[in-house]
Amino acid sequence: GAGVSQSPSNKVTEKGKDVELRCDPISGHTALYWYRQSLGQGLEFLIYFQGNSAPDKSGLPSDRFSAERTGGSVSTLTIQRTQQEDSAVYLCASSLRGPSGTEAFFGQGTRLTVV
Amino acid sequence: QQQVKQSPQSLIVQKGGISIINCAYENTAFDYFPWYQQFPGKGPALLIAIRPDVSEKKEGRFTISFNKSAKQFSLHIMDSQPGDSATYFCAAISNKIIFGKGTRLHILP
Repeated sequence: GAGVSQSPSNKVTEKGKDVELRCDPISGHTALYWYRQSLGQGLEFLIYFQGNSAPDKSGLPSDRFSAERTGGSVSTLTIQRTQQEDSAVYLCASSLRGPSGTEAFFGQGTRLTVV
Repeated sequence: QQQVKQSPQSLIVQKGGISIINCAYENTAFDYFPWYQQFPGKGPALLIAIRPDVSEKKEGRFTISFNKSAKQFSLHIMDSQPGDSATYFCAAISNKIIFGKGTRLHILP
């Protein structure tokens, strides 16, 4: 596709359930990022993948959150045992190289609501 | 935790006026400073960016001013238009992208 694609666009889940959010980056982009945006808040860094290097997981808020990137392309963010405070928009971005000096393109996000 | 502090949280400007949003950072390892624009329901999109060896960069009505010694940078939107109404995020980059908390800009018609 032409841009970063995220699915689903909206997800409503019950507290305690697991959810998987998917990100298809722009083809050829080696860097992939996940951010969380709560209502009226900024963009909270979650995790960063660069090529075959070990991901920077320093932003993951708890061990209920995990992410993987298969084959250097598609990424999945998994939230286990969801809590109401996990409700937010989860944004994925990709860039051609590392973050410095290259534009990061964002998807439209997945709006997660935990009820 | 690396931080980027952004102000104001919200801003109202008359059409044709100048909108100014300010950011400050702490980590001198940051080497790239982009601004992103976000409309409701959309992901952020790159607006303009600057490197710290440059004091000013202008693209159309948008200008970044950068003060390396003060570790501050700002976005100026000249001749602000209602279509500029959006949320603006500054960011600072070293090995990852750190965003400010955003400024909700509203341009009065």
